[in-house]
Amino acid sequence: TQLLEQSPQFLSIQEGENLTVYCNSSSVFSSLQWYRQEPGEGPVLLVTVVTGGEVKKLKRLTFQFGDARKDSSLHITAAQPGDTGLYLCAGTRPPDSWGKLQFGAGTQVVVTP
Amino acid sequence: EAGVAQSPRYKIIEKRQSVAFWCNPISGHATLYWYQQILGQGPKLLIQFQNNGVVDDSQLPKDRFSAERLKGVDSTLKIQPAKLEDSAVYLCASSRSGTSTDTQYFGPGTRLTVL
Repeated sequence: TQLLEQSPQFLSIQEGENLTVYCNSSSVFSSLQWYRQEPGEGPVLLVTVVTGGEVKKLKRLTFQFGDARKDSSLHITAAQPGDTGLYLCAGTRPPDSWGKLQFGAGTQVVVTP
Repeated sequence: EAGVAQSPRYKIIEKRQSVAFWCNPISGHATLYWYQQILGQGPKLLIQFQNNGVVDDSQLPKDRFSAERLKGVDSTLKIQPAKLEDSAVYLCASSRSGTSTDTQYFGPGTRLTVL
């Protein structure tokens, strides 16, 4: 059983559309990270959020950490084919101080031209 | 700055055989991680080293998996004997200090198929 539940599992959209991916848990996390993984490669860190209610923007990507630090969302505006990939959320739970990451199962995003 | 290097990239073996994977982390990174990523799932931490000491190996199947990080740099992960359910991508990652907000840099992984 995954501690972090991601939804949806798969998302296929047209270029220019918006999308939102969710990451939910019943547990509190000290910090939460979002990664993108492309075929044949390892995950690449997009962002780290540590404060409840925090919102971070990275160009067309907006990340939000829930007030209770149990959930997070990733919103992509005007998606492009280059946004295609597996989006993974991962978190560290208190009182762990060694950065042990618990990953969700991921959301596969496909953006078609 | 060179990234995390892993070899081999692909390995096919039969069940009950043994296999070893190698990882070279980013220079100067104290923390090294091995993850197992089964198809359709997120990575699962197998073992975490801080320099050449083990910080967490709670999810490592110790009856068949072993890992070492000699001299606190390179690391090897071994499976002996392999089972069908070990088919997965094995990812190595490293970070500068291993804290909860430290960035982990992942290698490309080794795809293992056990027949």
